[in-house]
Amino acid sequence: EAGVVQSPRYKIIEKKQPVAFWCNPISGHNTLYWYLQNLGQGPELLIRYENEEAVDDSQLPKDRFSAERLKGVDSTLKIQPAELGDSAVYLCASSSGTGGKETQYFGPGTRLLVL
Amino acid sequence: KQEVTQIPAALSVPEGENLVLNCSFTDSAIYNLQWFRQDPGKGLTSLLLIQSSQREQTSGRLNASLDKSSGRSTLYIAASQPGDSATYLCAVTGGGGSNYKLTFGKGTLLTVNP
Repeated sequence: EAGVVQSPRYKIIEKKQPVAFWCNPISGHNTLYWYLQNLGQGPELLIRYENEEAVDDSQLPKDRFSAERLKGVDSTLKIQPAELGDSAVYLCASSSGTGGKETQYFGPGTRLLVL
Repeated sequence: KQEVTQIPAALSVPEGENLVLNCSFTDSAIYNLQWFRQDPGKGLTSLLLIQSSQREQTSGRLNASLDKSSGRSTLYIAASQPGDSATYLCAVTGGGGSNYKLTFGKGTLLTVNP
């Protein structure tokens, strides 16, 4: 069974440029999460989807960040414009149930460097 | 707000040694606790999940315990191997007013020397 797929794995951009990350969850998983992990820190939740609905986006900086999950499968996280402080690893995870009690399976992450 | 603390931040041991990683959390109203492993440049791999009603879980050389009332968990690794070198993250689901949110600690960086 394929795991959570993310692309690109690495991205280097200049500040003020836009950037987008893509995530394909495990087949059949209806809950999808985007996390931000700064160096030396644990991941922090940005947004959680149940199917195509964003049920918690309270930690998403909506002035520059946006996300979508069309058809309740793949998801895209976008930053526009990027700032120096956005340099981090962006992790996508998925789980089979709702309510967040099930094991979350993580992708390899996208490492973003903003210059 | 749920907070998770991991001690120590880093640990270096010789191969073959048994070791314990510690995790504490501030709000005991959790659904479960997980231990994850993260290798450099890679995502997280779930090692063990302990439901709030359980006291421990075992997988191979790994044993995780949970004392929900005191807000503590330990991950015991027996007969450590160089391949165990990684960052180990503790995370709890729930607490702090959120039913489902997964709150992570900062991790313990483990190095097992051959």
